[in-house]
Formats: sequence, structure tokens, C-alpha cells
Amino acid sequence: GESVGLHLPTLSVQEGDNSIINCAYSNSASDYFIWYKQESGKGPQFIIDIRSNMDKRQGQRVTVLLNKTVKHLSLQIAATQPGDSAVYFCAENTGNQFYFGTGTSLTVIP
Amino acid sequence: DAGITQSPRHKVTETGTPVTLRCHQTENHRYMYWYRQDPGHGLRLIHYSYGVKDTDKGEVSDGYSVSRSKTEDFLLTLESATSSQTSVYFCAISDNQPSNQPQHFGDGTRLSIL
Repeated sequence: GESVGLHLPTLSVQEGDNSIINCAYSNSASDYFIWYKQESGKGPQFIIDIRSNMDKRQGQRVTVLLNKTVKHLSLQIAATQPGDSAVYFCAENTGNQFYFGTGTSLTVIP
Repeated sequence: DAGITQSPRHKVTETGTPVTLRCHQTENHRYMYWYRQDPGHGLRLIHYSYGVKDTDKGEVSDGYSVSRSKTEDFLLTLESATSSQTSVYFCAISDNQPSNQPQHFGDGTRLSIL
């Protein structure tokens, strides 16, 4: 998982396997969460979001799970593809401002 | 992709010189943001704008100023650049306030201050 201030965690998965990327957020009052994907030399790209009144939300090949009890967010990517290789980070919204995690680097092995 | 253009994409300059980065959007979105991205840190908010001529500070605003004279343009100025401002700078936009929808990012400006 990712935490602010630590070396960037890495995750390697085989092509076709499922990936799970974790994020521990800091503020129990945060009410809106986003996962971003960032490829080398590019800006962050929106993947999926979830509000605090939900536990789970699904998109195309991605699922976000929110556990407010332990302040934990996860991103599941189904059937991981080489194009999924990137840095993934979460963002939490508190008081009308987003706070971003440092990210997890995902490498997909062909 | 959201219509966001950052310029320049790369810049190398010397300590003490003024630097201005530009963010241009074609989405007519109300909110615009400047972030910096550094190793070991998540994106950190420098300044943001909630309308023409309406701006406010973020968590790392010291040494930076901004201006927004038109909906589509948001400028970030380093009045006297320091080496600690070497970073990758990202502009983001959103049509609504952060608690309601995601921000969409440009591809960044890599700034090196020697």
C-alpha cells in the first residue's frame, strides 16, 4: 500500500492476473475519494471515484472498495494488461481540498 | 482527454530569476489548480482559482503567486526562483468544487532551477 513520505511501493503482476492496490487515508472526515493512474511523463488520469456513503463501486475492469472503519481504500484491476503499467495513487477530499498519496508503481509482466 | 495545455513543458533556469508557467483550458471549467509533484510526496496544492480574479492559497503557496484574468488561463509565477522549487508542476481543472467531482490534469511542466 501507499503512505505519504515513504519510498514508492511496487507491485508486479502477471498479465491476465488481477491486481490489488491499497491506500491508507488519514482523515476520518474525508467524504470523497478518487483513484488516479499516472504514466511516465504524463499527468494523472482519473480512473474511478467513490463517496463515503458507499462501500464499493465498479467501473470497466476496475473496482474500488472503501472501508471507513480502518480508513482504507483499494483499487482492484481485473485481467491486468501491459497498458495498466503505471503509478496509481489515491486522493481524499477533506474540506474542499484533495490530499494525494505518493502512489504504488504497478508493473505488468507479459 | 480534458483540454488542458501546460506551457512550457520543460524549463531550466537559474536561481533568482522570475518564472511563469501557463495553464490553458478549453473546457470552460470554473476551478483551476496548481500542484507540485516531488519524490516522496503526493501532489501538493500551491494555489487554486474558483473564478476569474478569484484565487486562494494552498498548502505550499510560499514563493508562488497566481493570476487568472480569463476563464481559460491560470498563470503560476515564481517571483525569484529557488532550487527548492525544482519540481514537476501540474495544472488541474474541475467544473465544480472538489467535494463533488474529480479534477482533471494537464501533462505537467518539468522545472529545473540551477
